Amino acid sequence: DIVMTQGALPNPVPSGESASITCQSSKSLLHSNGKTYLNWYLQRPGQSPQLLIYWMSTRASGVSDRFSGSGSGTDFTLKISSVEAEDVGVYYCQQFLEYPLTFGSGTKLEIK
Amino acid sequence: QVKLLQSGAELVKPGASVKLSCKTSGFTFSTSYMSWLKQVPGPSIEWIGWIYAGDGGTNYNQKFKGKATLTVDKSSSTAYMDLSSLTSEDAAVYFCARISGSHYFDYWGQGVMVTVSS
Repeated sequence: DIVMTQGALPNPVPSGESASITCQSSKSLLHSNGKTYLNWYLQRPGQSPQLLIYWMSTRASGVSDRFSGSGSGTDFTLKISSVEAEDVGVYYCQQFLEYPLTFGSGTKLEIK
Repeated sequence: QVKLLQSGAELVKPGASVKLSCKTSGFTFSTSYMSWLKQVPGPSIEWIGWIYAGDGGTNYNQKFKGKATLTVDKSSSTAYMDLSSLTSEDAAVYFCARISGSHYFDYWGQGVMVTVSS
């Protein structure tokens, strides 16, 4: 199975500052079609996860441009510029290259 | 407007089974891949499997084979998951989610908590 390892944040993050969440996969997520099958989700307290970024760097419909995704085949970053109160929650990376589909253990974001 | 509405919380005795439902609307269910996921406090999310509503074809995480059985009812646009021989390890929140053709989970149900206790 592909193991997804997420880094922690130096919580709490001051409102208006930027925050970067890292994710590493145990295998390259670059498909032969050129797409990198790495997705990012945010789970706000008491809610279901919601899609933020897919294919490593494509923002999902309706997602603020304060969120951006980048990376290589195995190392990825979700950057949140100017964090706001509504960004609080747990962020997950998830690979869709191989079965079984796997998630990182989550990175919690708290705002000061 | 896409909706995935899951059934209510379940309290189940050890050794028993439970059937969870996920009623959908707002998209073409019969050509969709529906997935189920498990979340335990930690927090962590595990993928259980998917079912293609068109023909009932399935793909399970090996870890959940024998534990979970996925089915659909196209007439009501509802996906189901049977969990059998429940133990304390099965206590979790279970989500249904639709898989987009572009390889991500684009819509999620609200989740249902399953408690296993005598």
